[in-house]
Amino acid sequence: QSVLTQPPSVSAAPGQKVTISCSGSSSNIGNSYVSWYLQLPGTAPKLLIYDNNMRPSGIPDRFSGSKSGTSATLGITGLQTGDEAFYYCGTWDSSLSAVIFGGGTKLTVL
Amino acid sequence: QLQLQESGPGQVKPSETLSLTCSVSGGSIISNNDYWGWIRQPPGKGLEWIGSIYYGGSTYYNPSLKRRVTISADTSKNQFSLRLNSVTAADTAVYYCARHLRGPSGYFSNNWFDPWGQGTLVAVSS
Repeated sequence: QSVLTQPPSVSAAPGQKVTISCSGSSSNIGNSYVSWYLQLPGTAPKLLIYDNNMRPSGIPDRFSGSKSGTSATLGITGLQTGDEAFYYCGTWDSSLSAVIFGGGTKLTVL
Repeated sequence: QLQLQESGPGQVKPSETLSLTCSVSGGSIISNNDYWGWIRQPPGKGLEWIGSIYYGGSTYYNPSLKRRVTISADTSKNQFSLRLNSVTAADTAVYYCARHLRGPSGYFSNNWFDPWGQGTLVAVSS
């Protein structure tokens, strides 16, 4: 069981907006920055968001990140069928002295 | 464009040592702010950080794996490697290498992985 809690699955229609939550504690999200990764089926994870809300070059502004207290949220607007994938949050846990990831959320675009 | 590629045996026997190498191209592992990390993903499960290394030799390991893990770097070959001892079936996973970046503070409280290698499946089986 992951220290960071993500919903196992979310779904929405093409063109709609979806949010994916990542819940932690004061030893991780509460005192660290959050990153988000996209994993398409059969491929390696890819960085989507770092520093809570920064997008690397090449990531469209349909993807956004935010953090409040001990939770973080990934938002995706204008959903496309190609967005169907697993999404993972990650951060540092000062109690564990380790990088930790959420359990992952499967996004289905109906 | 920085690229990473994992290599090593696809099968390891229980109780033996898993050894993988990550070859880096399009850039140097001798980088002031970059660590280089290993992450694994058991089939159908989530991501687990194994550990990371700085080119100068400084390492950080996941405490849950620390007693069995060694990560090393070879700057002459622009590679870094993973050794995991005493493997069991629970170590069966896709193993990824990735550049491990930190924010301006240099602390891991601000860290992320980018880019990732394509991953290599290692099965622990007799």
